Amino acid sequence: RKEVEQDPGPFNVPEGATVAFNCTYSNSASQSFFWYRQDCRKEPKLLMSVYSSGNEDGRFTAQLNRASQYISLLIRDSKLSDSATYLCVVKRREGGKLIFGQGTELSVKP
Amino acid sequence: EAGVTQFPSHSVIEKGQTVTLRCDPISGHDNLYWYRRVMGKEIKFLLHFVKESKQDESGMPNNRFLAERTGGTYSTLKVQPAELEDSGVYFCASSQEKGTGTYEQYFGPGTRLTVT
Repeated sequence: RKEVEQDPGPFNVPEGATVAFNCTYSNSASQSFFWYRQDCRKEPKLLMSVYSSGNEDGRFTAQLNRASQYISLLIRDSKLSDSATYLCVVKRREGGKLIFGQGTELSVKP
Repeated sequence: EAGVTQFPSHSVIEKGQTVTLRCDPISGHDNLYWYRRVMGKEIKFLLHFVKESKQDESGMPNNRFLAERTGGTYSTLKVQPAELEDSGVYFCASSQEKGTGTYEQYFGPGTRLTVT
């Protein structure tokens, strides 16, 4: 079983739609949680960190449930420019390495 | 400020040959990481340098891979001899740990390695 599991996707949605991505992690020693965005043939870029209290950045809302070991990302009013692969990423308490999910591809259509 | 740079952007080599990938981290970043994405799989950690020291090399697949970071600046990752399964995109990332213990890893554009 992978340490970080994501919805396989792809998600094809119209502009303006709300889309939710889910992610689960298996290692309870995970300490920090992130969503990265990766455009086609580009490097991953940090979209937002995820905090236990939940956090929002414009149209993006991230939530963390430590008891269920579950992370989510909600994108409201999706734009064409949101088309990308969204990577769920965790970091354990020890060390600095990031552990990636396989990613969920989002395609926003006009 | 310049981001993380990697060279080359693409490399096509034959099985059995040697390839050396280079990463220049963001200036002042003590932490340097190597990751790899094999087609169809998730991005996986290879190793972590703090300055010139290897902090964690638990992700290195085998002894055909050798990473160095002489002087604590740029890093190289050598694959010798290359095998078909080494094909993938190799990403480098760097970070400067902040006092709060939280930090962001900034990724380079990657080197796409194809072994034929």
